[in-house]
Amino acid sequence: GENVEQHPSTLSVQEGDSAVIKCTYSDSASNYFPWYKQELGKRPQLIIDIRSNVGEKKDQRIAVTLNKTAKHFSLHITETQPEDSAVYFCAFSPSNTGKLIFGQGTTLQVKP
Amino acid sequence: DTAVSQTPKYLVTQMGNDKSIKCEQNLGHDTMYWYKQDSKKFLKIMFSYNNKELIINETVPNRFSPKSPDKAHLNLHINSLELGDSAVYFCASSQQVGGSSQYFGPGTRLTVT
Repeated sequence: GENVEQHPSTLSVQEGDSAVIKCTYSDSASNYFPWYKQELGKRPQLIIDIRSNVGEKKDQRIAVTLNKTAKHFSLHITETQPEDSAVYFCAFSPSNTGKLIFGQGTTLQVKP
Repeated sequence: DTAVSQTPKYLVTQMGNDKSIKCEQNLGHDTMYWYKQDSKKFLKIMFSYNNKELIINETVPNRFSPKSPDKAHLNLHINSLELGDSAVYFCASSQQVGGSSQYFGPGTRLTVT
């Protein structure tokens, strides 16, 4: 079926440390992998996405890596700040259908 | 400038009632979506429209009926509301189908009592 496993479900780090969230997806034909950040009571906000023609993409303190062979992709946040605290969702688009299948979410807490 | 907007933001109603949620995007996108986020924060696709045509219907009960009068608007009508329909409903849009960034509206928190 179409699913994505996301780990860990909760992550607590000290300010300035790095945070890594990992996802494993089911559909090998997928080629679009976005990450969303959702603050409490707010909408999911697209923070970075990657397409399968690249293995890594970086935007300031956030980066995403993709291993299509292993069907894994990961979000890396460096130099974490308290305002990074939120729920992060990975997602993928099965066979470019347009719909997004979301992971279960990771609650990131950055302690000052 | 609000890119994707939804009304109402909150909706409290009793079981058995019928209600509608409206969504509008001013991004010029061709594709719009409805997602449901349950109490455990799980986000699940419900419907997608491309240029006013239904392209995705994820086995949602037929009490839910989406309508797209034009490609900038996608509404969701729910008949005979049940307790289990309580959730946050998000509208989203993307430039095209497949591999295109999706942008979410602010959500509508539906509470059925």
